[in-house]
Amino acid sequence: GAVVSQHPSRVICKSGTSVKIECRSLDFQATTMFWYRQFPKKSLMLMATSNEGSKATYEQGVEKDKFLINHASLTLSTLTVTSAHPEDSSFYICSAIRAAGGYEKLFFGSGTQLSVL
Amino acid sequence: SQQGEEDPQALSIQEGENATMNCSYKTSINNLQWYRQNSGRGLVHLILIRSNEREKHSGRLRVTLDTSKKSSSLLITASRAADTASYFCATADRGSTLGRLYFGRGTQLTVWP
Repeated sequence: GAVVSQHPSRVICKSGTSVKIECRSLDFQATTMFWYRQFPKKSLMLMATSNEGSKATYEQGVEKDKFLINHASLTLSTLTVTSAHPEDSSFYICSAIRAAGGYEKLFFGSGTQLSVL
Repeated sequence: SQQGEEDPQALSIQEGENATMNCSYKTSINNLQWYRQNSGRGLVHLILIRSNEREKHSGRLRVTLDTSKKSSSLLITASRAADTASYFCATADRGSTLGRLYFGRGTQLTVWP
């Protein structure tokens, strides 16, 4: 079964509203999570690294005030798209590192399709 | 920024045939990973090959890595219709954390029954 849960899977919102996407690690603690976005038939672009208890690290060109990331607990990171516009319509995917026995493995959520009208 | 480039962008084959996808990258890497994505869905990790490895197998998958040419290939043998998906390579820069990945544009594989 899924080890990283992402919610919602699909959201449609009006331009100007804010949308929150949740990424949860199931059955493990994730001090670090990652957020990606993907345009149709395009690659995934790393947006930011979400760090539990501290500020997220954003990739170059990603607006921090536009894409708010909060990693308040060891199992939950949220991405809020503020004042969404049609150009923010995209597929957003999170991932989390599960560490066990000195071995790390990366798991991805199932993604959130955001459509801004 | 985007790192890998897959080739071809689209591949269409019959069931039972082998599918080969190639990936090139630009920087020094810690490892290279291949992922599969069904349309509009999340990613499934297929295989990871470390920079000091040259070849790796997992079931019907065979991955090669040539760090001198900064390229990798993914071979799917005896393909099935269920293998239809997009395949991405992703690299982790040397010294970077596991999850900071740079993905290629992907190869859309279609396997006809």
